Amino acid sequence: SQQGEEDPQALSIQEGENATMNCSYKTSINNLQWYRQNSGRGLVHLILIRSNEREKHSGRLRVTLDTSKKSSSLLITASRAADTASYFCATDASRGAQKLVFGQGTRLTINP
Amino acid sequence: DAGVTQSPTHLIKTRGQQVTLRCSPKSGHDTVSWYQQALGQGPQFIFQYYEEEERQRGNFPDRFSGHQFPNYSSELNVNALLLGDSALYLCASSKGLRNAADTQYFGPGTRLTVL
Repeated sequence: SQQGEEDPQALSIQEGENATMNCSYKTSINNLQWYRQNSGRGLVHLILIRSNEREKHSGRLRVTLDTSKKSSSLLITASRAADTASYFCATDASRGAQKLVFGQGTRLTINP
Repeated sequence: DAGVTQSPTHLIKTRGQQVTLRCSPKSGHDTVSWYQQALGQGPQFIFQYYEEEERQRGNFPDRFSGHQFPNYSSELNVNALLLGDSALYLCASSKGLRNAADTQYFGPGTRLTVL
């Protein structure tokens, strides 16, 4: 079963606008990671946020984590056509070997 | 610096056959995890190998098995293929069973089609 649920399932915006995607999960976690996937290819790691962190930035990406609500959000600012992809959140809740549990993803389309 | 590589890129098999997929981890990494991604879904964890042993396993039947070699590369074997095994199979590597960064780096995947 999948722990994370992304919302919305699909998002279409104009180039230059900001895109926000949300992720909810069910159990306590060690960390939460966001990945991007283009057209069914491999996953590209975007950012990792630990359970004791509340916000992280990387370039045009901003990730927040609210462990009390078991939710995270990914904000992409000043979107570009190249940002068109599927975005997945993945949680690591295992005590031993790392095991990522992915949501079903948000399909982001940036219109020129 | 070579990233995670997988072979083959695409594979077509028929029901009942067996398949072997291969993965070479990113340079400096010694842990390999395998994921299955059905069309339109997120990846699902199959299992993880470290020091040539299976360390953790997801909810997959015994038809799915693996191996890790001394050079850290890994194979995923699937026996008695079913139509439902059609998916993108992703390999991910990391350093150590649990490292400080806890980031897994993914390969481009192998697209398996079962007819």
